[in-house]
Amino acid sequence: DAGITQSPRHKVTETGTPVTLRCHQTENHRYMYWYRQDPGHGLRLIHYSYGVKDTDKGEVSDGYSVSRSKTEDFLLTLESATSSQTSVYFCAISESMAGGPNEQYFGPGTRLTVT
Amino acid sequence: KNQVEQSPQSLIILEGKNCTLQCNYTVSPFSNLRWYKQDTGRGPVSLTIMTFSENTKSNGRYTATLDADTKQSSLHITASQLSDSASYICVVSGDSNYQLIWGAGTKLIIKP
Repeated sequence: DAGITQSPRHKVTETGTPVTLRCHQTENHRYMYWYRQDPGHGLRLIHYSYGVKDTDKGEVSDGYSVSRSKTEDFLLTLESATSSQTSVYFCAISESMAGGPNEQYFGPGTRLTVT
Repeated sequence: KNQVEQSPQSLIILEGKNCTLQCNYTVSPFSNLRWYKQDTGRGPVSLTIMTFSENTKSNGRYTATLDADTKQSSLHITASQLSDSASYICVVSGDSNYQLIWGAGTKLIIKP
């Protein structure tokens, strides 16, 4: 998984509780991304980062926030989890902006269940 | 609206057989098209990246084709193996902002 780890790998939480997912990379790539994957849908971009403290929204950012205080770490926070946020979350990294000529590398995913 | 549609949704074939997966897209302008393989419980792994000028690209037993005029791509798998069982996802990059448009994938099952 190209030097990308995600933690936790599985989590069950209750509606209304805050949740933070962590992505850690050892590749020193500039760009980091959070996606969610749901049955019947393609991966959907939540937020991405183009450097330390530089982040931007993706197509499904409502209810999520992110932070990047170090090159290697990108955190995704669900301030108040809802059942619609039950999903598998993937972190990805790339040397240049997604969609350019460079590949994206994905972490192993975090399965989050909100009850 | 930019969209990527894949067919079939799922496919079952016998080990050793060939198969072809389809991807149609409406993304415009176009930058590149990618095929990913995603094993169950794992993150996607890139198989190929094709730009506008590339018609065919191979990666071992995987061959991707691209027709930018008709906005279609296919992924051909030769002499399938049990390890090819996975979801195959087509992703298209629009030139305007490098946004990636992801297809929902084709779930391929190889039976012995």
